[in-house]
Amino acid sequence: LAKTTQPISMDSYEGQEVNITCSHNNIATNDYITWYQQFPSQGPRFIIQGYKTKVTNEVASLFIPADRKSSTLSLPRVSLSDTAVYYCLVVPRGGTALIFGKGTTLSVSS
Amino acid sequence: NAGVTQTPKFQVLKTGQSMTLQCAQDMNHEYMSWYRQDPGMGLRLIHYSVGAGITDQGEVPNGYNVSRSTTEDFPLRLLSAAPSQTSVYFCASSYSDRGTNEQFFGPGTRLTVL
Repeated sequence: LAKTTQPISMDSYEGQEVNITCSHNNIATNDYITWYQQFPSQGPRFIIQGYKTKVTNEVASLFIPADRKSSTLSLPRVSLSDTAVYYCLVVPRGGTALIFGKGTTLSVSS
Repeated sequence: NAGVTQTPKFQVLKTGQSMTLQCAQDMNHEYMSWYRQDPGMGLRLIHYSVGAGITDQGEVPNGYNVSRSTTEDFPLRLLSAAPSQTSVYFCASSYSDRGTNEQFFGPGTRLTVL
C-alpha cells in the first residue's frame, strides 16, 4: 500500500478555510485517496474519497492533480467542532485493509 | 440501525489474564476488522475477516485470536494479556466490494493491562 505524508499539525480559526495536503508519490493506478476524521475518544469516520480531479460532498472537498502524487482536503469555514485528527489513506478500490499513519491534528480556535 | 457496537467500553486486566472483546454490526457487512490505537499513533490492523468462517492476520496479530462464526459478530480474544497490549481497540465493518473505501468504526474499547 502506498505510503502517505501529511503535516503533523495545523492551527486555524473559526470561519477560515483549511487545506490539508497529503503526499503519496507511489500511488498505484487502482488506488483511491481516502480521508478519515477522528475526534478524541471516538473511532475514525469516513469523510471523502476520490480518484482524480475534484470531489465534493457536504463535509469537504478533495482536490487531486493529474499526476495523483498528492491531494488536498479542503474544509470550508471550519468551526470549533472540526478540531480532530485527519488521516489521508491510499487504498485500492474497494480495498478493506486500511493503513493509518499519524494523521494531521487540526486545532480550531475562536 | 445500531451500526457497529463494542463491549465493554473500558476494561482493566492483570498480566496473564485472558478476555474477549466483543464486536457486532447490524449492517450485513461482509468485512470486519480489529485495530488498535496507541497514544499519539494511528490505527494498526490486528486481524480481519472477509466473511463468516474466514479470517486473516493484519499488521500486528501476535497475542490475539479471532473467529467469525456469523456475519454479525467478530470477537477479539486476548490469550494472555501483557502491558504492551494496553491500548484502545476499534472494530470496523464495511461492504467488501462496493467500490467504496468507507468503513464504519465502533466507539472503541479502552484496555489497560497492569
